Amino acid sequence: DTAVSQTPKYLVTQMGNDKSIKCEQNLGHDTMYWYKQDSKKFLKIMFSYNNKELIINETVPNRFSPKSPDKAHLNLHINSLELGDSAVYFCASSLRDGYEQYFGPGTRLTVT
Amino acid sequence: AQSVTQLDSHVSVSEGTPVLLRCNYSSSYSPSLFWYVQHPNKGLQLLLKYTSAATLVKGINGFEAEFKKSETSFHLTKPSAHMSDAAEYFCVVSDPGTYKYIFGTGTRLKVLA
Repeated sequence: DTAVSQTPKYLVTQMGNDKSIKCEQNLGHDTMYWYKQDSKKFLKIMFSYNNKELIINETVPNRFSPKSPDKAHLNLHINSLELGDSAVYFCASSLRDGYEQYFGPGTRLTVT
Repeated sequence: AQSVTQLDSHVSVSEGTPVLLRCNYSSSYSPSLFWYVQHPNKGLQLLLKYTSAATLVKGINGFEAEFKKSETSFHLTKPSAHMSDAAEYFCVVSDPGTYKYIFGTGTRLKVLA
């Protein structure tokens, strides 16, 4: 029974395209997050949502737009993909702020 | 502002010997601290957490960490390394009320047979 799931696992696309990554958690958590992990394994928070409300937007380009239709889902839509967007994107959730996070398996995005 | 420094980017140990992965943090408040492990091409798994209870925290797979406020450290240890411990380890700090989790740059642990 997967706690935090993401789809797709792999995404290969061309520059300029628009793509979405979906995330779902079945843990009943209030808070969800998107992270970007670059090729050097550095993890940086992109967005934090609490009860469907955007709390943190960490200087992410406007081309990235998160959407939380309900507490269990947090999707990430990316417009006009660029080469530099290639990375692994992780979704995570926590019961509330400051609690341990549970991570999804990641989505490896490759932009060619 | 919160920050975290993992002092070693790579650590190599022989199987059966102790593991020490070092982490120093900076925080204006009483932070929450975490260690996560990431095996190759996998997601992140929580090893252990400190949330202002006992300063010596026990985690999964024999790992433990000690919170030392005076040294602003939260080093991860294990008495005896196993081959399956080879992975990337991340120290994480979070200040209450910020909804932010700051990750260290990671330590790659290599276990030699």
